[in-house]
Amino acid sequence: DQQVKQNSPSLSVQEGRISILNCDYTNSMFDYFLWYKKYPAEGPTFLISISSIKDKNEDGRFTVFLNKSAKHLSLHIVPSQPGDSAVYFCAASSPNNAGNMLTFGGGTRLMVKP
Amino acid sequence: IAGITQAPTSQILAAGRRMTLRCTQDMRHNAMYWYRQDLGLGLRLIHYSNTAGTTGKGEVPDGYSVSRANTDDFPLTLASAVPSQTSVYFCASSESQGGEKLFFGSGTQLSVL
Repeated sequence: DQQVKQNSPSLSVQEGRISILNCDYTNSMFDYFLWYKKYPAEGPTFLISISSIKDKNEDGRFTVFLNKSAKHLSLHIVPSQPGDSAVYFCAASSPNNAGNMLTFGGGTRLMVKP
Repeated sequence: IAGITQAPTSQILAAGRRMTLRCTQDMRHNAMYWYRQDLGLGLRLIHYSNTAGTTGKGEVPDGYSVSRANTDDFPLTLASAVPSQTSVYFCASSESQGGEKLFFGSGTQLSVL
């Protein structure tokens, strides 16, 4: 059973509007969460992260929100740009994981239309 | 700056054949990882290495082996490939064990027929 889930496989947004990508997790031991962005034929690249002691982290147009009680995090992109079109993966880690390995969600494909 | 280099970029392989995917990093990172990406399942960890000379099993290690003879190289071997190993394989590294910010290579698309 997947411990990290991204229930929307795809999302389409108009340029300039807000994109909201969601992620749910089941393991209460997760204490660090990350978002990665992946373009076709490239490896994922780190985008933004958040520790479980925070509920919000902002970096330019990107903000990640964490709701620990709901075991839910979301990535907000404002304003969305065509260059943001990519697959976004959320990931989580816990100190109990062997090698502190990351557990990834299935990904959400974001399409930003000009 | 190369970062992580993977080879080959793609490969078609007959079932039962042996295959080694190569991964080299030039960042002097201690930890390295192999993930496979499958549609809807995201990235799943196959094997990892926290430092040269040590390796560990990830979430889906069966059918794969790794070695870490030095800091820079972390090859992944499929001893006898099966069609279910058709996937995109990503090598990654981080500065240290528990360094959650991973740096990924561009991937190897492997098709086992």
